Amino acid sequence: GAGVSQSPSNKVTEKGKDVELRCDPISGHTALYWYRQSLGQGLEFLIYFQGNSAPDKSGLPSDRFSAERTGGSVSTLTIQRTQQEDSAVYLCASSLDGGNYGYTFGSGTRLTVV
Amino acid sequence: GEDVEQSLFLSVREGDSSVINCTYTDSSSTYLYWYKQEPGAGLQLLTYIFSNMDMKQDQRLTVLLNKKDKHLSLRIADTQTGDSAIYFCAETMKMRQLTFGSGTQLTVLP
Repeated sequence: GAGVSQSPSNKVTEKGKDVELRCDPISGHTALYWYRQSLGQGLEFLIYFQGNSAPDKSGLPSDRFSAERTGGSVSTLTIQRTQQEDSAVYLCASSLDGGNYGYTFGSGTRLTVV
Repeated sequence: GEDVEQSLFLSVREGDSSVINCTYTDSSSTYLYWYKQEPGAGLQLLTYIFSNMDMKQDQRLTVLLNKKDKHLSLRIADTQTGDSAIYFCAETMKMRQLTFGSGTQLTVLP
């Protein structure tokens, strides 16, 4: 597609439920990144994919968070047993060359845990 | 570790120039970026500069890099109300994730 597509755009879930967030990067972009932006905060790095492998998972805040990427394209970020502190906007970005010329961001998924 | 710092708020009058400042700590940073985020939207790449440059101009935007002081600035000439947004500074080395500052909220007053 023309840009990075994320779905859903908004998600409200009950505490304790699992959620799955999807990112569809720009076609041909080999690198894909997940960030989290909490209200009034900067961007917190979560995980980075080069192709289907994740060389850097250092930002995942707990073992409730996992991510995968298949076919070098779509990625899903899964949060198990959601907590209220997981409420944030989850942003996905992709780049052609590993980020040297910056990323293209999606519009994000706003997750609210009630 | 890496750290990128920005002041949180800046207000300017319409038509004036805005200067948004950023400092970073990682001397091995090779690429530095400015992103703009409007309410409810993702981040839009405005411009970037390589660490071997000290200035880059792109229409109303001027980026200055002082590598010795690890200081990056973004100047917006003739600031308009449509420039009101949060501006993020970010840095990276090749093939690594971007490290972002906390963002500067620019408010343009009529």
